Amino acid sequence: GAVVSQHPSRVICKSGTSVKIECRSLDFQATTMFWYRQFPKQSLMLMATSNEGSKATYEQGVEKDKFLINHASLTLSTLTVTSAHPEDSSFYICSAVGGDTEAFFGQGTRLTVV
Amino acid sequence: SQKIEQNSEALNIQEGKTATLTCNYTNYSPAYLQWYRQDPGRGPVFLLLIRENEKEKRKERLKVTFDTTLKQSLFHITASQPADSATYLCALLSGGYNKLIFGAGTRLAVHP
Repeated sequence: GAVVSQHPSRVICKSGTSVKIECRSLDFQATTMFWYRQFPKQSLMLMATSNEGSKATYEQGVEKDKFLINHASLTLSTLTVTSAHPEDSSFYICSAVGGDTEAFFGQGTRLTVV
Repeated sequence: SQKIEQNSEALNIQEGKTATLTCNYTNYSPAYLQWYRQDPGRGPVFLLLIRENEKEKRKERLKVTFDTTLKQSLFHITASQPADSATYLCALLSGGYNKLIFGAGTRLAVHP
């Protein structure tokens, strides 16, 4: 299947700093990518839909100024957690929909804010 | 309100038995439903997709059914193995951007 690469896999940052997470589709072009957040033993919660060349569409309750999304090319979307706080600590996962309908996921990023 | 519900309790079964996981949805009319496997600390991996006009879909030891009247999908793993132990998520598309929405997942543990 198609490959989606997400980096970093783990990051620890200090409270108040910003963290950037990259999501790349390695062998296909993804006009749309999705960013999810997952708390332990809970479901994947869709945060936003990232569209190449346009502004991201955020889900209700997700702060767009807090979670900056940029989809600069057909193979790269980035999520920047700005002014991170301990409550932002979570598992963040990106995905891209391939040719048909199945979604391909990145490996996920474990963010810990101390 | 819209909901996708999976049994939150872990399912423990003996190796060789058939595991059956349930996914129920409310206030959605999905054209298809998908099942994913997620291992701890990893992103989900696609397993199967079943369309609304398909009653059943099979792939090796996996079988999925889709009942649009009951608004339910069942996911079966036959001849289960300890390596099948993972969390299994059902998902369906919602909204104009084809947003993939997930259930909370059911954790399956297959014991030798």
